[in-house]
Amino acid sequence: DVVMTQSPDSLAVSLGERATINCKSSQSVSHSSNNVNYLAWYQQKPGQPPKLLIFWASTRESGVPDRFSGSGSGTDFTLTISNLQAEDVAVYYCQQYYYNLWTFGQGTKVEIK
Amino acid sequence: QVQLVESGGRLVRPGGSLRLSCEASGFMFRDHYMSWVRQAPGKGLEWIAYIRGSGDNTHYADSVRGRFTISRDNTKKSLFLQMNSLRAEDTAVYYCARVSILAAGPMDVWGKGTTVTVSS
Repeated sequence: DVVMTQSPDSLAVSLGERATINCKSSQSVSHSSNNVNYLAWYQQKPGQPPKLLIFWASTRESGVPDRFSGSGSGTDFTLTISNLQAEDVAVYYCQQYYYNLWTFGQGTKVEIK
Repeated sequence: QVQLVESGGRLVRPGGSLRLSCEASGFMFRDHYMSWVRQAPGKGLEWIAYIRGSGDNTHYADSVRGRFTISRDNTKKSLFLQMNSLRAEDTAVYYCARVSILAAGPMDVWGKGTTVTVSS
C-alpha cells in the first residue's frame, strides 16, 4: 500500500500567521500522462466528520476559503493556511486516491500559539 | 439537502458480525462511488472500502479484506457494510462518505458516523 506521511504531527501558529503542513507519499500519486495529482486534503474539527478542503492537490472545494491552498506534485505535497483564523484549529489529513487502495496520512494537529 | 445518515453501530463480541447502513438523500445516489472510512478512538482516519455507483466494482483495505463486504441498493439509496469476524481493533466510528463526482477519490459529503465497539 502507498504510505502517506505527514509532517509535522502538530504545530502551533499565531493568529494571522501561516501554517504549513507537508504530506509525502511512498510512491508517486501523479499521472504520468497529464501530471494530474491524485491528492486530497481534509479538515476535521473535534466531534465532527472530516470536511473536504482540496482535491487534485490544488483545487479548492466549493465554499472553502481562499486562505487554504494546496501545492506539490509526484510524492511531495503541501497544505498552506494563510492568515490563520481561530476556526482553523483542527486536524488536517492528506489522502491519495491514485491507487485502488486509498490511504490517509496520520494527521497534523493545528493549534493557536 | 445532501445528507448521509449511518446506523447499525453497537457493542458486539469479538468474532461477531454486524451490518452497518447508510441512507442517502438529496443527490443522485447511483451516480456516485461511495465509501466507508473509520476512525478508532483518538486515532486518525482509515479508509476501508469503496464501491462504484453501479455496485459492480469494490475495493478494500488490507485490514478488512475477506471480513467486510461493501454493497449498495440504488433503489433504496442505501449503502451497507457487512462486518464479520470482528476484532477489538475494529472498534471505531464508521463514516459513510460520498465520493466526489468531479474526481473519483475525494470524499465530499460525510455522515456523522456510527460507533462500533468490539469487546467481550
